[in-house]
Amino acid sequence: NAGVTQTPKFQVLKTGQSMTLQCAQDMNHEYMSWYRQDPGMGLRLIHYSVGAGITDQGEVPNGYNVSRSTTEDFPLRLLSAAPSQTSVYFCASSYRGVDSPLHFGNGTRLTVT
Amino acid sequence: KNEVEQSPQNLTAQEGEFITINCSYSVGISALHWLQQHPGGGIVSLFMLSSGKKKHGRLIATINIQEKHSSLHITASHPRDSAVYICAVKGSGGSNYKLTFGKGTLLTVNP
Repeated sequence: NAGVTQTPKFQVLKTGQSMTLQCAQDMNHEYMSWYRQDPGMGLRLIHYSVGAGITDQGEVPNGYNVSRSTTEDFPLRLLSAAPSQTSVYFCASSYRGVDSPLHFGNGTRLTVT
Repeated sequence: KNEVEQSPQNLTAQEGEFITINCSYSVGISALHWLQQHPGGGIVSLFMLSSGKKKHGRLIATINIQEKHSSLHITASHPRDSAVYICAVKGSGGSNYKLTFGKGTLLTVNP
């Protein structure tokens, strides 16, 4: 059972480049979400989805796009990378119920120069 | 102002000590999560609770909904408990899919 798989683990981009962070889960979870973790800030929600075809913005959505064409996959796209997007990114998933625990991926460390 | 406040920010203990980490929140919630993150590592869910108390091994989590407060206790602490502990609250009503996180408590347990 793979759980939540994030790729890549590390990435370096130049300002203005675009890229996609991949997230896949094999637990048939309806809810998937992307967070960024910055020193002194805690985790902040970027985008989330409650099912295939449904996405919504979180606290810090600017500069990021998401789509949810299948239950399993929830990619995060950086349209034009900026140094302010240097961060560690985590994907998480869970069932929709209030009592459902979160399952996190191992994170992607992104540096934008 | 962060809606979720954790205390202390940093905590150093000797092996065997009883540890308490606190989490206070200011909004109505449907559930509260305690998470653990080892240095350079991923994030693991320890507890999810909406009322009362839960226990798993040496870890105990409690929540007081009326006082908007939760505590995470570690009994007989061990150096392998050294990690960042994060409190996160799930909103109620229309926002119950959104999590708001505390900034974390860095726990160091010395042998």
